[in-house]
Amino acid sequence: GAVVSQHPSWVICKSGTSVKIECRSLDFQATTMFWYRQFPKQSLMLMATSNEGSKATYEQGVEKDKFLINHASLTLSTLTVTSAHPEDSSFYICSAKTSGTDTQYFGPGTRLTVL
Amino acid sequence: AQTVTQSQPEMSVQEAETVTLSCTYDTSESNYYLFWYKQPPSRQMILVIRQEAYKQQNATENRFSVNFQKAAKSFSLKISDSQLGDTAMYFCAFMKHSGGSNYKLTFGKGTLLTVNP
Repeated sequence: GAVVSQHPSWVICKSGTSVKIECRSLDFQATTMFWYRQFPKQSLMLMATSNEGSKATYEQGVEKDKFLINHASLTLSTLTVTSAHPEDSSFYICSAKTSGTDTQYFGPGTRLTVL
Repeated sequence: AQTVTQSQPEMSVQEAETVTLSCTYDTSESNYYLFWYKQPPSRQMILVIRQEAYKQQNATENRFSVNFQKAAKSFSLKISDSQLGDTAMYFCAFMKHSGGSNYKLTFGKGTLLTVNP
């Protein structure tokens, strides 16, 4: 149980284009989802928290107009990197939790490379 | 704000031996959770063990156990009978207790553990 998937696992795009990453909870209702960014050999940095049906709460320094997050259902959240640039290249990881619990379950991550 | 410190960037251990990874944290909260996650080369984050701060008893999960010292704000992870599959980056993480908070995790910088045959 408590499986979280991400799609795609790896994406390459050209500078200036937008990329959408999906995060799905497969066997539980994800009332809250989180998006993290991880640079090579570094820790996870929380980008934003989203509750189903509500606007995402972004961490300080994260541009909400660049990293669009939608959490429209209890099983799906999407992160759209708009007008991507090479500095946006990174590993993006989502996690999800259900109400009444404190444990986050992580997706396998998405490697974004912007050329 | 909470901070989590892992003072050992890298560690190594021989297969079948025991290793302890250190973690300290700083918080003014009295009720919170602590976690250890592992991230193997596949980069999938896997929950290893969790501890609720109000519980004095140290959590254990098979070969994994913690030494939770609340007064010292220390939360070390002991891995017994180390296996090659334990090779991974280990992250210590802190979360405030719920009660309206948004369950944010604060991670340490990680410790890269290598288990040698």
